[in-house]
Amino acid sequence: QQQVKQSPQSLIVQKGGISIINCAYENTAFDYFPWYQQFPGKGPALLIAIRPDVSEKKEGRFTISFNKSAKQFSLHIMDSQPGDSATYFCAARGNTGKLIFGQGTTLQVKP
Amino acid sequence: DSGVTQTPKHLITATGQRVTLRCSPRSGDLSVYWYQQSLDQGLQFLIQYYNGEERAKGNILERFSAQQFPDLHSELNLSSLELGDSALYFCASSPTGGTNTGELFFGEGSRLTVL
Repeated sequence: QQQVKQSPQSLIVQKGGISIINCAYENTAFDYFPWYQQFPGKGPALLIAIRPDVSEKKEGRFTISFNKSAKQFSLHIMDSQPGDSATYFCAARGNTGKLIFGQGTTLQVKP
Repeated sequence: DSGVTQTPKHLITATGQRVTLRCSPRSGDLSVYWYQQSLDQGLQFLIQYYNGEERAKGNILERFSAQQFPDLHSELNLSSLELGDSALYFCASSPTGGTNTGELFFGEGSRLTVL
C-alpha cells in the first residue's frame, strides 16, 4: 500500500530526444505527486509536482502526465539535454507530509 | 543551496560502533525527515519529526533512533553498526507536517561507510 514503483531503472537518450519515466502507486490516499532530480553528490531537489485532480502539468521542457484511474503517472522530458543527466525520483505524499519515493531512474543524455 | 545543513558529510567507522548524524533544517521549518539512500533500495523513509514530536515512522531499524530538539535541529543515532548500514543518509525539512505540506528541502547528505 505504501509502495511507489518506478521504471525504467536506467535510461539512455540522445540529445534532443524525449525521456519518459513511469511510476505507479497503490495507496489512493496519496494526495500529491512530485518528481525530484538528483545530481551526483547532491541531495534531491524538487523538479515538478502534480495533484491528482489534474491530468497534466507542464513546466518548460518537463511534463507530468497523471492517470488517476490507473494509479499511474509519468515524467516526460522534451528536447533532452546533457545537463538533464541525473537520477530522477517520483514520489507520493502521505498524510503526514512524508514522501514515499520510487526506486529512481538514472538518465544519461548523450551529446 | 537548500538551506538544510547536514554534518558530517563523510564518516567512516567500524562494525559495532555508534554514530550520530546531525541535521539543521531551513530556518522556520518545523518538520524534519530522515531518509536512507543505498544503491539497491533507493530513498527509504526512516522517520519524521514535527516540532519536536515523532510524526511518522518508516522502515527504521531498532538499532536506529532519532530526536528533534527544541531549536528544531535533529539527530539520527545509528548503533551496533553493520556493513549493510553503509549508505547516504539524507535529512529534509518542510514548513509544516501534514496534508498541506509542499516541497521537502533536502540536505546534501551524510555518507556513512562501515568497514
